[in-house]
Amino acid sequence: LAKTTQPISMDSYEGQEVNITCSHNNIATNDYITWYQQFPSQGPRFIIQGYKTKVTNEVASLFIPADRKSSTLSLPRVSLSDTAVYYCLVWGSSNTGKLIFGQGTTLQVKP
Amino acid sequence: EAQVTQNPRYLITVTGKKLTVTCSQNMNHEYMSWYRQDPGLGLRQIYYSMNVEVTDKGDVPEGYKVSRKEKRNFPLILESPSPNQTSLYFCASRPSYGFNEKLFFGSGTQLSVL
Repeated sequence: LAKTTQPISMDSYEGQEVNITCSHNNIATNDYITWYQQFPSQGPRFIIQGYKTKVTNEVASLFIPADRKSSTLSLPRVSLSDTAVYYCLVWGSSNTGKLIFGQGTTLQVKP
Repeated sequence: EAQVTQNPRYLITVTGKKLTVTCSQNMNHEYMSWYRQDPGLGLRQIYYSMNVEVTDKGDVPEGYKVSRKEKRNFPLILESPSPNQTSLYFCASRPSYGFNEKLFFGSGTQLSVL
């Protein structure tokens, strides 16, 4: 099972771009990288998933280098409502049942 | 509305008094799982169920039991709760055990064991 390492916390200001990097050195060939967002008093919710290169949706972008040992979640022009905990999860055909979330990154967006 | 429903939302109990936290999903998902969330430790998986016939331990199964008698329900059972099980609990489901499918989480159950 691929374990992940993320920064515990990050601060930003409204309007800035925020990049959160996740390290997953033992990622397997069939593993995907998924990010979840958790607001206070709520369950986590899926925001983006990728396998390689770059994925973009209406919420965020996900950058994955060729060696896939890390990934970067990019949030463009954050607002106060982006204050949340962000979890990186690596999963694939070798561990489709057992899941290991990391500690998550608490992002605090300031006015 | 597609959702994962947990009950109760808040629960205060005493050491040793058996309790059950219910989890139900209305999306016909095969896979369901339970997590606990503690400050500084993130989300840790307790148990998971690939389908109604297969249930297995996650990272922190000690002190917990689960039951998957039907596809939509996956209750978490604490036979003899202890204070170290005070935590925020989440149930989640996903369509199957495919690796490119997202998890849907419930709103959480805050449990306090005195």
